Amino acid sequence: EPEVTQTPSHQVTQMGQEVILRCVPISNHLYFYWYRQILGQKVEFLVSFYNNEISEKSEIFDDRFSVERPDGSNFTLKIRSTKLEDSAMYFCASSERAGRETQYFGPGTRLLVL
Amino acid sequence: ELKVEQNPLFLSMQEGKNYTIYCNYSTTSDRLYWYRQDPGKSLESLFVLLSNGAVKQEGRLMASLDTKARLSTLHITAAVHDLSATYFCAVAPTGANSKLTFGKGITLSVRP
Repeated sequence: EPEVTQTPSHQVTQMGQEVILRCVPISNHLYFYWYRQILGQKVEFLVSFYNNEISEKSEIFDDRFSVERPDGSNFTLKIRSTKLEDSAMYFCASSERAGRETQYFGPGTRLLVL
Repeated sequence: ELKVEQNPLFLSMQEGKNYTIYCNYSTTSDRLYWYRQDPGKSLESLFVLLSNGAVKQEGRLMASLDTKARLSTLHITAAVHDLSATYFCAVAPTGANSKLTFGKGITLSVRP
């Protein structure tokens, strides 16, 4: 069964460094998302992406964050100048269409900023 | 701003008994999702409810949606240990917007 994959599974970085989290969405899906979950808390929307541009972003997604689809398969989240409060599990999700479709989540990347 | 509330936040269940958990949301929505999360794992899609009165069942779980009351329920029949997990509901606003707003999740623990 097709699934969303993410790499790396864990990432440790020093505060102020840049990280890139990678995702491979399900192959026929056109809509891509990033969410994050701080330990023990609820899942929060970061950004949605379609047709090579951002559809919507939350307040969390400030100018340190960026997303890109560099090729036909990968979808990346870059965080520049990382802060301690960026430490969280980051989930990529994809859906075949927008609107009333299930979003399928990847296994997540646990980011720890020291 | 769309708000999603789940209660209770933690539920200890006895094996074999039935339970119901709730998800309330604050503004108009035409779709509601239930996800399951095991500790340290990702979110597994359980149900998508797309209309008022929608009811879906999978094994011991049954979910329903009342859009007028802005309420979804997840009913557990004859709880078993395998159902121990955290259950999130998520809501998207009416229309094409796909941003999901999640509740805080309900952690279910099934004891013998």
